[in-house]
Order: sequence, then structure tokens, then C-alpha cells
Amino acid sequence: KAGVTQTPRYLIKTRGQQVTLSCSPISGHRSVSWYQQTPGQGLQFLFEYFSETQRNKGNFPGRFSGRQFSNSRSEMNVSTLELGDSALYLCASSGGLAGRSEQFFGPGTRLTVL
Amino acid sequence: GDSVTQMEGPVTLSEEAFLTINCTYTATGYPSLFWYVQYPGEGLQLLLKATKADDKGSNKGFEATYRKETTSFHLEKGSVQVSDSAVYFCALSESPGTASKLTFGTGTRLQVTL
Repeated sequence: KAGVTQTPRYLIKTRGQQVTLSCSPISGHRSVSWYQQTPGQGLQFLFEYFSETQRNKGNFPGRFSGRQFSNSRSEMNVSTLELGDSALYLCASSGGLAGRSEQFFGPGTRLTVL
Repeated sequence: GDSVTQMEGPVTLSEEAFLTINCTYTATGYPSLFWYVQYPGEGLQLLLKATKADDKGSNKGFEATYRKETTSFHLEKGSVQVSDSAVYFCALSESPGTASKLTFGTGTRLQVTL
């Protein structure tokens, strides 16, 4: 079974631009979560989508948004990029059903904002 | 809110040494607990998990026991190898029935030398 895939793996943008990151979950998984990893703040939860609906949200500004498609693929968008948005963005998928299922992470997209 | 506290790293050990990485948590409910490992340039891999008190998670020689009375989930391995060098993250999830919205500790870097 293929794992979680994220594209692109690396991205360089300048301040003020916007960016879209993509995540394809493991086949059959309906829940997709996004995390930001930085040296200063560590791993922080951004949001989770389940069956095309946002189910949980972390404490990030409205510049960070996401969506999920009917095939469970998810995209994350960051508008008006700031230097502090430079980070590794990780996507994770899970079955999303009852039973305390674990999350499986992708390799991440490393975003550098200049 | 929920929080996870891990021992500061880096931890440097010789091959075949005993490893302990301390993890304590604060949660309002009855969380599931996880250990994830991150190798250089990669995403997170689930190492082990426990969903109720006194559960012992184990994988690849690593073990951790869910101690509700001390709110701890310490990671142990009897004999580390150079290939265990990585960053280890303790995490919890309070979401009932799923592992969404993980709260992570700051991570502990382990370096194993010959």
C-alpha cells in the first residue's frame, strides 16, 4: 500500500506570495491532518479534514486554509507569506473511524520564504 | 490545554547502552499516547502507542508503558544501535475514537556512537 505523498517536496517563495501544498493520503483513509514543524515552535497542529469537512482547527491565523476533495486528497494554502512561515509542513492521514487509529505521516514539504 | 513535556536533548549514547527518554503529559481527559521517530530528512514514523492505563506499547525493541498515576509514558530500549540515531517525539491525542489533533513534545535527539 502506498504511503502518504506530499508535493512538492521543496518550495521557495518570497514574502507576500501565496503557496499551495498538496497531500494524497493512504488509499482508503478519509482523515487528513496538517502540521507545521519549526525549530522554534516544534510540531504544531494546523487543521484536520474528514470527508471534505474541517473537523478540527489549531491556533493559526486565517492566512492558513485548507480543503479536502471527494477523493480525500487535501490541499493547504498559505496567503501573504511571512518569513516566519518557513517550515516543514507535514501531512498525516488516518482511517478517521472509531478505534483510536494512528496517523501516518508523509515526508513533508519544506517551505522557505525569502 | 493539553501539553507534553520531554527531556531535553541531545542524548548521546554508545552502542548497546540502555536508553530512557522521559515523557510526561497534561490532559483534561483520557488521552491516547504515542511515540514517533523522525530520521534526518524524513517525516514522522509511528514507533509505538498505548490507549489505556498500564498498556505497554512495543516495537523494534522499544517499549513504553502508559502510567496514568504519574501521567508518564517513558520510552526505553535495552540496547541501542547506531541506526536508532534520530529525533524522538512523544505525543498525545484526546480526540475520542481517532488520533487526530496530536499534541507533541519538543522532541529528543538521540545520537548513538560506536
